[in-house]
Amino acid sequence: DVKVTQSSRYLVKRTGEKVFLECVQDMDHENMFWYRQDPGLGLRLIYFSYDVKMKEKGDIPEGYSVSREKKERFSLILESASTNQTSMYLCASSLEVVAYEQYFGPGTRLTVT
Amino acid sequence: QKEVEQDPGPLSVPEGAIVSLNCTYSNSAFQYFMWYRQYSRKGPELLMYTYSSGNKEDGRFTAQVDKSSKYISLFIRDSQPSDSATYLCAMSPYNFNKFYFGSGTKLNVKP
Repeated sequence: DVKVTQSSRYLVKRTGEKVFLECVQDMDHENMFWYRQDPGLGLRLIYFSYDVKMKEKGDIPEGYSVSREKKERFSLILESASTNQTSMYLCASSLEVVAYEQYFGPGTRLTVT
Repeated sequence: QKEVEQDPGPLSVPEGAIVSLNCTYSNSAFQYFMWYRQYSRKGPELLMYTYSSGNKEDGRFTAQVDKSSKYISLFIRDSQPSDSATYLCAMSPYNFNKFYFGSGTKLNVKP
């Protein structure tokens, strides 16, 4: 059973803080993704990675960066959190050859005050 | 214009009803069409996927793709309260690099 875990379920941070969201998958998947989910907007891709140390921008990368030093771990970094980054953040992973299925973590609800 | 459009609902039906959920899209390069189900306070999970056009059935669920109309559907027969969730459609081109998600339709099946 694939498991994708995220470091926190709920997080409250202040404007201007640097925020780290961690994601770990246990199935040796090549691809990893970070999305944010907002009402009425669905899931929007922030960044994805198809290999260690590789990353590609998604649709809304502004204000975010990522790090993938190990295959199983993909981190999302908010360099200076702002209130418009209050959202649900979802991490996902997929196997290269079965890429129609992404496995999602439970999400981190981030509130920036 | 969004790549994928989906009616957000909410959709409320009595138990046993047939449910129809739909998405439209604009990008003719999409080849894979997926339906994800998301329960409250959980991440989405894959329900069904279809490659190109046609129908696919899995138990009470049927996925349909009409590429000529750029329209996909998910039908749920004999709906159950346990089907209450948000249903997200997703699509990707052949190279898989990105999924394009609809905004999700919230379904409530009343006992």
